[in-house]
Amino acid sequence: DTGVSQNPRHKITKRGQNVTFRCDPISEHNRLYWYRQTLGQGPEFLTYFQNEAQLEKSRLLSDRFSAERPKGSFSTLEIQRTEQGDSAMYLCASHTGYNEQFFGPGTRLTVL
Amino acid sequence: LAKTTQPISMDSYEGQEVNITCSHNNIATNDYITWYQQFPSQGPRFIIQGYKTKVTNEVASLFIPADRKSSTLSLPRVSLSDTAVYYCLPTKSWGKLQFGAGTQVVVTP
Repeated sequence: DTGVSQNPRHKITKRGQNVTFRCDPISEHNRLYWYRQTLGQGPEFLTYFQNEAQLEKSRLLSDRFSAERPKGSFSTLEIQRTEQGDSAMYLCASHTGYNEQFFGPGTRLTVL
Repeated sequence: LAKTTQPISMDSYEGQEVNITCSHNNIATNDYITWYQQFPSQGPRFIIQGYKTKVTNEVASLFIPADRKSSTLSLPRVSLSDTAVYYCLPTKSWGKLQFGAGTQVVVTP
């Protein structure tokens, strides 16, 4: 257990529905990252926050994706109008800004 | 960030030493070399990080030659629980991580 929690662990949804994932980082870590991982590939960066400010977004993050980190604590990642291509593991990582990132267990999304 | 190349897969028997070499020809002067391990249905986990020469911790050793264009992760006396995907990444002390496809290590009895 890294101290980073993600909920839900699994989500099955129908195409066109909206989904929201939550990440609770290690409390003293001011940086939070979201990654997406598809089968057989390494995680791909989506976006990151320093405290409550979203400082970088990947080109992978289409307009259907939005992330927030109110008050610089937990973060949510919402996907609107899901598509089958959104099926993946969504990973959250917590970071002090130095050395290693601590990953949560991920949320596995399946879009039918 | 520098592109990395590492073997797609490696097989080993329990008790053997496993060495995974990663090429990173264009590594930046201020990049570290970091290795993560990932088990199925879990997030990656930090194993070891170095800048040059040799680093050892309770899990692994990392060898980095003087030109820093490659690095070798050494896992001593592997067990079945070391079956995982291992990623080599050039990293800065801050910022996003850029993973490649990694090396699938399979340990059999």
